[in-house]
Amino acid sequence: DTGVSQDPRHKITKRGQNVTFRCDPISEHNRLYWYRQTLGQGPEFLTYFQNEAQLEKSRLLSDRFSAERPKGSFSTLEIQRTEQGDSAMYLCASSLGHRDRATDTQYFGPGTRLTVL
Amino acid sequence: SQKIEQNSEALNIQEGKTATLTCNYTNYSPAYLQWYRQDPGRGPVFLLLIRENEKEKRKERLKVTFDTTLKQSLFHITASQPADSATYLCAPPENGGYNKLIFGAGTRLAVHP
Repeated sequence: DTGVSQDPRHKITKRGQNVTFRCDPISEHNRLYWYRQTLGQGPEFLTYFQNEAQLEKSRLLSDRFSAERPKGSFSTLEIQRTEQGDSAMYLCASSLGHRDRATDTQYFGPGTRLTVL
Repeated sequence: SQKIEQNSEALNIQEGKTATLTCNYTNYSPAYLQWYRQDPGRGPVFLLLIRENEKEKRKERLKVTFDTTLKQSLFHITASQPADSATYLCAPPENGGYNKLIFGAGTRLAVHP
């Protein structure tokens, strides 16, 4: 257990429905990341936050996706009007980022597996 | 564009032997590289980080090398055990960056008793 928690662990939904996932990072970590992983592939970066600021979004993140980290602690990822292609494992990671440190070790949560029927 | 390649075929080895996994990267030179372990249905677990100025890094039975000339990192598990069976992911940061990780597809390792 890395200390990063995600909820729910599994979500099954029908196409067109909205879903929201939550991530609670390691408490002292200021950076939070969302990745998506499909079967047989490595995780793909979606977006990341430094404290409450969303600093980068991948082009994979269509307009139907939105992420927030309102108080710089937990984060939510919402997918509106889900499509079957959204079926994947959604992973959250956190890190203790320092401006003068040239590396960033990320600790992952267990993931939320989304199935869109 | 930057590309991370790991052997897509599963690696099957006998318990007690040394497992060696390969990660090749093209079209850029990352400042560091991380290795993660992932079990089915779970999130990746951080194992080791090696910087471009480090040739080798060790942690218990694990060893990672980083050859910036060959653009390759090797991940070794000595005295392998069935509990080491998992998928191992190589993850350098994106070109010019230091925190957005680019993952390889991973290599599945199976250690047989």
